[in-house]
Amino acid sequence: SQTIHQWPATLVQPVGSPLSLECTVEGTSNPNLYWYRQAAGRGLQLLFYSVGIGQISSEVPQNLSASRPQDRQFILSSKKLLLSDSGFYLCAWSGDFEANTIYFGEGSWLTVV
Amino acid sequence: AQTVTQSQPEMSVQEAETVTLSCTYDTSESNYYLFWYKQPPSRQMILVIRQEAYKQQNATENRFSVNFQKAAKSFSLKISDSQLGDTAMYFCAFLMDSNYQLIWGAGTKLIIKP
Repeated sequence: SQTIHQWPATLVQPVGSPLSLECTVEGTSNPNLYWYRQAAGRGLQLLFYSVGIGQISSEVPQNLSASRPQDRQFILSSKKLLLSDSGFYLCAWSGDFEANTIYFGEGSWLTVV
Repeated sequence: AQTVTQSQPEMSVQEAETVTLSCTYDTSESNYYLFWYKQPPSRQMILVIRQEAYKQQNATENRFSVNFQKAAKSFSLKISDSQLGDTAMYFCAFLMDSNYQLIWGAGTKLIIKP
């Protein structure tokens, strides 16, 4: 069966520090991968999606970047965090299994102080 | 542009009762997908049920079922024999066949009371 893992689950970072959130998917190949952000009390905002290694599309201009160094690995990064980057970040995937259905990881709480 | 509307910000029912959450959407597309996701206090987003627009039969998943009315652009979720673990935010979402962008409703906070 397919599983998705995301880490770290929680982190507190000072303004101006770098960020790296990592996500891996198991049990499938060539998945579509996504990074979402959810502000408190709001719905999800798509930040990046990837249809293959090295192929990244950005939906919202921001202080963040994404990379896909391996088929089932997706990384969200920032060189210098802003207070406004605080939020709940969710990695997700979709693929051949129930095509057009997006499955989410456990999420990562980021607090920038 | 596609939009998804959930008109019930919050609902509460007694355990074992049946509850229906409403969702309407707007699109000019003919082929698309609809979803209900559940977000418990842990914040993980969990797929509850999916519906393909070209299928007339309503999707069911154990205690969860949908009433999909394509002409009315309505997609309600019915939870039967509600349980305390059903307490969560429920989001309705729409996905076009040729797109990667899920369009989300604002969510309905469902509270199951013992």
